[in-house]
Amino acid sequence: GAGVSQSPSNKVTEKGKDVELRCDPISGHTALYWYRQSLGQGLEFLIYFQGNSAPDKSGLPSDRFSAERTGGSVSTLTIQRTQQEDSAVYLCASSPRSGTFDTQYFGPGTRLTVL
Amino acid sequence: AQTVTQSQPEMSVQEAETVTLSCTYDTSENNYYLFWYKQPPSRQMILVIRQEAYKQQNATENRFSVNFQKAAKSFSLKISDSQLGDTAMYFCAFISNSGYALNFGKGTSLLVTP
Repeated sequence: GAGVSQSPSNKVTEKGKDVELRCDPISGHTALYWYRQSLGQGLEFLIYFQGNSAPDKSGLPSDRFSAERTGGSVSTLTIQRTQQEDSAVYLCASSPRSGTFDTQYFGPGTRLTVL
Repeated sequence: AQTVTQSQPEMSVQEAETVTLSCTYDTSENNYYLFWYKQPPSRQMILVIRQEAYKQQNATENRFSVNFQKAAKSFSLKISDSQLGDTAMYFCAFISNSGYALNFGKGTSLLVTP
């Protein structure tokens, strides 16, 4: 079946602009995760959605970052007033249920470049 | 807090040879899972292998196997009969019973040469 998809594949923006990154999880997967991969910090957890429960936003680096998940499926990560340090690859993953030990399946990521 | 350490930033191996990538982790948890993910230049993170901490038997997936030493908190990946397509970044990851976010190591860049 189809895997996790993300769009856009690449995004170049100017400092101060807002960006939206989209993630389509695997059909039927109730858990969705966002991670950030940057040269200096490696892979960092950002946010976790499980079904209709309130998301765990503990990994979001600042209040410029927000995410939503509509209808328990598609998720959008929004970064407001982008800064150069936001440049990174943003990875989305999904898993079948909320069980801790479910394998997370990743999308191809969105490479964000802030000029 | 759990930490994952990959001490080899870069490694190289010749095609058909065997290579071992190292990973150590630190946790006070008793029940957890460990993973190796592969990330080729396409950026897609692909699961290579996973290991349940309560299982003593080392996991194996075709040419990929792990050496899981729970007491030593070590989780190395052995790639046998290396192929050019194995060239990628390899990440070791940990997830505990009390969380759901993967904790990743910094990665090892593996180059397979002809």
